[in-house]
Amino acid sequence: DTGVSQNPRHKITKRGQNVTFRCDPISEHNRLYWYRQTLGQGPEFLTYFQNEAQLEKSRLLSDRFSAERPKGSFSTLEIQRTEQGDSAMYLCASRGFNEKLFFGSGTQLSVL
Amino acid sequence: DAKTTQPNSMESNEEEPVHLPCNHSTISGTDYIHWYRQLPSQGPEYVIHGLTSNVNNRMASLAIAEDRKSSTLILHRATLRDAAVYYCIIDGSARQLTFGSGTQLTVLP
Repeated sequence: DTGVSQNPRHKITKRGQNVTFRCDPISEHNRLYWYRQTLGQGPEFLTYFQNEAQLEKSRLLSDRFSAERPKGSFSTLEIQRTEQGDSAMYLCASRGFNEKLFFGSGTQLSVL
Repeated sequence: DAKTTQPNSMESNEEEPVHLPCNHSTISGTDYIHWYRQLPSQGPEYVIHGLTSNVNNRMASLAIAEDRKSSTLILHRATLRDAAVYYCIIDGSARQLTFGSGTQLTVLP
């Protein structure tokens, strides 16, 4: 069990640029979640995958956001035309059959 | 998923027990109660979960009210490393786990 891995750990970008984050879940976990967290707030749910199927999307996930999980393994979260309000920690979590969520350390995005 | 209510902050002295409360009055019969904690600059970490009966593990105990509308996370002997934000979450559909603002626990030496 190597844990949930997220890359990069930090990303600084200019407003209007596109960014992509990657999440590698624990290998046997079929469920994967993306969350966004701003300072002083709890994580906000963005989207949920079961295997390769995206089964749930938050209304927070505007059309500038897209997430994929090809082949039901790693997942990517892309933000197009970034805005300063997108600055946050983006967290990925995975889950197998024992109900525990395992989180990665997150990707801290700063939009200048 | 059911909404949860937690105090914004709590304080405890080191090596004393801590009882962190959570209200979840709209919980459904098959919803699990989960607790996670988050240290600064880290992702949340699983602490414990339960359905109806009280649960114990090496980290903590979970006491669930008989009507299941509230629960309490118990840290038996708080250490400085237990200082974190603690989140109570109700797991219903498993598709969307909703975190609240959590309780910031401060442990005083």
